[in-house]
Amino acid sequence: EADIYQTPRYLVIGTGKKITLECSQTMGHDKMYWYQQDPGMELHLIHYSYGVNSTEKGDLSSESTVSRIRTEHFPLTLESARPSHTSQYLCASAGQGADQPQHFGDGTRLSIL
Amino acid sequence: AQSVTQPDIHITVSEGASLELRCNYSYGATPYLFWYVQSPGQGLQLLLKYFSGDTLVQGIKGFEAEFKRSQSSFNLRKPSVHWSDAAEYFCAVGVSGGYNKLIFGAGTRLAVHP
Repeated sequence: EADIYQTPRYLVIGTGKKITLECSQTMGHDKMYWYQQDPGMELHLIHYSYGVNSTEKGDLSSESTVSRIRTEHFPLTLESARPSHTSQYLCASAGQGADQPQHFGDGTRLSIL
Repeated sequence: AQSVTQPDIHITVSEGASLELRCNYSYGATPYLFWYVQSPGQGLQLLLKYFSGDTLVQGIKGFEAEFKRSQSSFNLRKPSVHWSDAAEYFCAVGVSGGYNKLIFGAGTRLAVHP
């Protein structure tokens, strides 16, 4: 079983607040990802990282930002939350090699009032 | 362009019945193919994966999938469904090069009747 953890699991917060969603993995994986998923919908990649000090934007444009200061940690930040940011955010990691599957955390369900 | 199509948005089966979930992909090279399952409020769990070799792959929870290159398909099967299999199932194709990009289908929601 993969060891990747996301906190908080649920967050309800008002518009304009700064939010950080945490993601940590204990597998030593270099590659990490953030996906956005609306209820009953497919996953859309919003950020990824090849390793420490590497961050890239994904396929879906997002107002969020990420950082990768340590291998195991890949937090996502929203500077000023808006109702349009309401969604589920899933973090994943993968080892080296194109054949390595991505392992997912349980997600953070974010609601902006 | 790479894409994954899961033609069935919702499927309902009776407990004990067999199951097949369809997945078609579009990808120019030999694909890496995955099936994931997502229970309500949870992340995605890997069921099985295909990279090369035997086209029939076995996964966890009694699932299997068959890769058919001629049909660009990777259908998921289970001979006897349990009530606990009710969930959302996602097929994905891995794009080689760089960051292990996955392209997901829209998912199939499985309901199981007792």
